[in-house]
Amino acid sequence: EAGVAQSPRYKIIEKRQSVAFWCNPISGHATLYWYQQILGQGPKLLIQFQNNGVVDDSQLPKDRFSAERLKGVDSTLKIQPAKLEDSAVYLCASSLGGRIEKLFFGSGTQLSVL
Amino acid sequence: AQSVSQHNHHVILSEAASLELGCNYSYGGTVNLFWYVQYPGQHLQLLLKYFSGDPLVKGIKGFEAEFIKSKFSFNLRKPSVQWSDTAEYFCAVNALYNQGGKLIFGQGTELSVKP
Repeated sequence: EAGVAQSPRYKIIEKRQSVAFWCNPISGHATLYWYQQILGQGPKLLIQFQNNGVVDDSQLPKDRFSAERLKGVDSTLKIQPAKLEDSAVYLCASSLGGRIEKLFFGSGTQLSVL
Repeated sequence: AQSVSQHNHHVILSEAASLELGCNYSYGGTVNLFWYVQYPGQHLQLLLKYFSGDPLVKGIKGFEAEFIKSKFSFNLRKPSVQWSDTAEYFCAVNALYNQGGKLIFGQGTELSVKP
């Protein structure tokens, strides 16, 4: 079974630039999550999708972050404009029907904002 | 607000030593509890979970954890660590009022096992 795919693996940008991350969940997984993991901290949920609808985006900084999952499969997370404090690993995860005991993580995109 | 606290930021052990990593959470209601592991260069993987029943749960690779409700704790243990256990370990909590997979993670404990 293929895992959660994310790209790019690494990204370096300057502050005020924009960046986008892509995630393809495990086939058939309706629930998709984006987490932010800052160095020295645990992952923090940014947004959760059920199919193409948003379930929880309470911790997404909506002035600069946006995410979409238009066809209910793959998803894109965008930051515009980026700030220094956005430097982190962005993790995508998916689960079958929102079952958290069956949560699978991707390898993440490491973002460095200079 | 719900929070998860892991007591140790970095633990260094020699092979065959016993391991205990502490985890406490702040939510007073019914919870599901998890330990995840992240080996160097790899993605987060589920190590073990507690949903209900026996508070002593066993996971992969000889790990176990004990849920003590009165102490709001879910400590991870292993009797004898190996060099291959070198990784970062995350405790996570899901409060049952919030269905659908919102996990609150602790800050992580980095384990280094010396051969």
